[in-house]
Amino acid sequence: DAGVIQSPRHEVTEMGQEVTLRCKPISGHNSLFWYRQTMMRGLELLIYFNNNVPIDDSGMPEDRFSAKMPNASFSTLKIQPSEPRDSAVYFCASSQRAARTDTQYFGPGTRLTVL
Amino acid sequence: AQSVTQLDSQVPVFEEAPVELRCNYSSSVSVYLFWYVQYPNQGLQLLLKYLSGSTLVKGINGFEAEFNKSQTSFHLRKPSVHISDTAEYFCAVRSGNQFYFGTGTSLTVIP
Repeated sequence: DAGVIQSPRHEVTEMGQEVTLRCKPISGHNSLFWYRQTMMRGLELLIYFNNNVPIDDSGMPEDRFSAKMPNASFSTLKIQPSEPRDSAVYFCASSQRAARTDTQYFGPGTRLTVL
Repeated sequence: AQSVTQLDSQVPVFEEAPVELRCNYSSSVSVYLFWYVQYPNQGLQLLLKYLSGSTLVKGINGFEAEFNKSQTSFHLRKPSVHISDTAEYFCAVRSGNQFYFGTGTSLTVIP
């Protein structure tokens, strides 16, 4: 199994630009999670999907952030416009179900730098 | 809401010495507990998890953790660490539909 795939691995952009992060979950997994990791705030859950439907987006910081999951094998996290404070590592994770006991499998992350 | 506290942000330890990484959480009502490890420039990997049953949970790489409901703790231990254990370790709690992570403990194994 290829695991969770994220692209790009690194992204450097200028303030005000649109950024799109991509994630391919493990095949057969029905739940997908987006996290942000920073030194100051640690790991934060931004949003998660179950069967392609957003279930909880309470962690999305503001309207500049949006996430979609058009099908079971692809999700995007978009920031428009980006700001320097958005610089972080963004992780995507998937699990077989949204059950509390299910293990989440993490991708390698996208390191975003907004200048 | 839950909170997860990892009191030690950095733990240096000599090779082959034992180590304990501490984790406390705020509420023991229907929680499931996890420890993840993050190696440099990589995503998180599951070390072990407690769902129910025996309070002593064994994981990969020789790690184990003990669930203590009365103290709301889930400390991670290893009797003898290796250089390759140098990494960031995250305690996590699943409560309801939410997943809460601690701020992480950086374990550095000194040769």
